[in-house]
Amino acid sequence: GESVGLHLPTLSVQEGDNSIINCAYSNSASDYFIWYKQESGKGPQFIIDIRSNMDKRQGQRVTVLLNKTVKHLSLQIAATQPGDSAVYFCAEKEGGGADGLTFGKGTHLIIQP
Amino acid sequence: EPEVTQTPSHQVTQMGQEVILRCVPISNHLYFYWYRQILGQKVEFLVSFYNNEISEKSEIFDDQFSVERPDGSNFTLKIRSTKLEDSAMYFCASSFRDGNQPQHFGDGTRLSIL
Repeated sequence: GESVGLHLPTLSVQEGDNSIINCAYSNSASDYFIWYKQESGKGPQFIIDIRSNMDKRQGQRVTVLLNKTVKHLSLQIAATQPGDSAVYFCAEKEGGGADGLTFGKGTHLIIQP
Repeated sequence: EPEVTQTPSHQVTQMGQEVILRCVPISNHLYFYWYRQILGQKVEFLVSFYNNEISEKSEIFDDQFSVERPDGSNFTLKIRSTKLEDSAMYFCASSFRDGNQPQHFGDGTRLSIL
């Protein structure tokens, strides 16, 4: 079946450094992608999204890159802070209806002081 | 900032009992969703709801599950006869529209089946 997955379960970076979290997806019909951040005991928090007609989108300290050729999505976080420590999920969706999101397994980002 | 709220934060129920999980979506949102996350696993879609009816549902959402919008603010998930494997975090989400719109999640209800 179709799935969304992440390359690394844990990523550790120094505070102040940039981090890149990667995600591979297999459904070539997916046309909408989201990154969520989940802190312990909380629900997924929306970070940034991108539609399939774009290959890059920037937010505050975050950038999402989409490579449809290789079905790859990445989240770049600039100048990481202790509050960035969390599990990050990519999620994808096909079509314009009220379908649910398909989530990846998550990457645990650890910010070292 | 508007948020999705869920109650209770933790529900402990005996196997075979019915349980109702409650959610208050963001007030101007029209689409509502339930997801679950078994401990250590990824978030899984259960069901979406719009205009007082189910829009989409996954294979997980079998006859034991039902959803309802009993009034203008609440959205509920009912599990009729709980099983041990129903133990999970249950997340409610809402979005303003369907399609390519972000879904905003509550902090979940931890359901523990004994």
